[in-house]
Amino acid sequence: ELKVEQNPLFLSMQEGKNYTIYCNYSTTSDRLYWYRQDPGKSLESLFVLLSNGAVKQEGRLMASLDTKARLSTLHITAAVHDLSATYFCAVDGDFGNEKLTFGTGTRLTIIP
Amino acid sequence: ETGVTQSPTHLIKTRGQQVTLRCSSQSGHNTVSWYQQALGQGPQFIFQYYREEENGRGNFPPRFSGLQFPNYSSELNVNALELDDSALYLCASSLWPGQSHFGNGTRLTVT
Repeated sequence: ELKVEQNPLFLSMQEGKNYTIYCNYSTTSDRLYWYRQDPGKSLESLFVLLSNGAVKQEGRLMASLDTKARLSTLHITAAVHDLSATYFCAVDGDFGNEKLTFGTGTRLTIIP
Repeated sequence: ETGVTQSPTHLIKTRGQQVTLRCSSQSGHNTVSWYQQALGQGPQFIFQYYREEENGRGNFPPRFSGLQFPNYSSELNVNALELDDSALYLCASSLWPGQSHFGNGTRLTVT
């Protein structure tokens, strides 16, 4: 059974600081996704990572993938309050294409 | 291009009742997946429909069932509602792998 673990579960950080969220998964997967979710809202797609060594960046967020270690990271640079949200990683593979297994989420709070 | 729309946005039901949730997929998307997200948890895969056929199912009991229509819209039906069915139900549509678009969800409360 595919398991996806994120850490930390909760993260409180000051504006302007850098931090990294980690996502480990237990079996081979074709794709690794990162999503953002604001309270009471749906999921916003951030990144889709397809291959070993893939790195994608959008604004202050950068995601990377190491398929050999089954590890993805989401790095936040110079955090701003607007980045406060819950971040999920997800992989497909246990049930097939586009049938995602999600991590537990990381609730990020940026303190002014 | 319209996005994924779900209805209703909120719903309150009593234990033992039945509920139907609806999802209109993004234009041209032939694959619809449903997820259940309990409070404070990550979404869990329920099932997927591809061109009107079920195309994979997660670890949910048979009282969770679905349909997909020729226009690729979809329904999720839950029979004999239990308190633990209270959750946000999310629908996602896609045409190609890696391109899932999520709707805003239906918040179901079972009392």
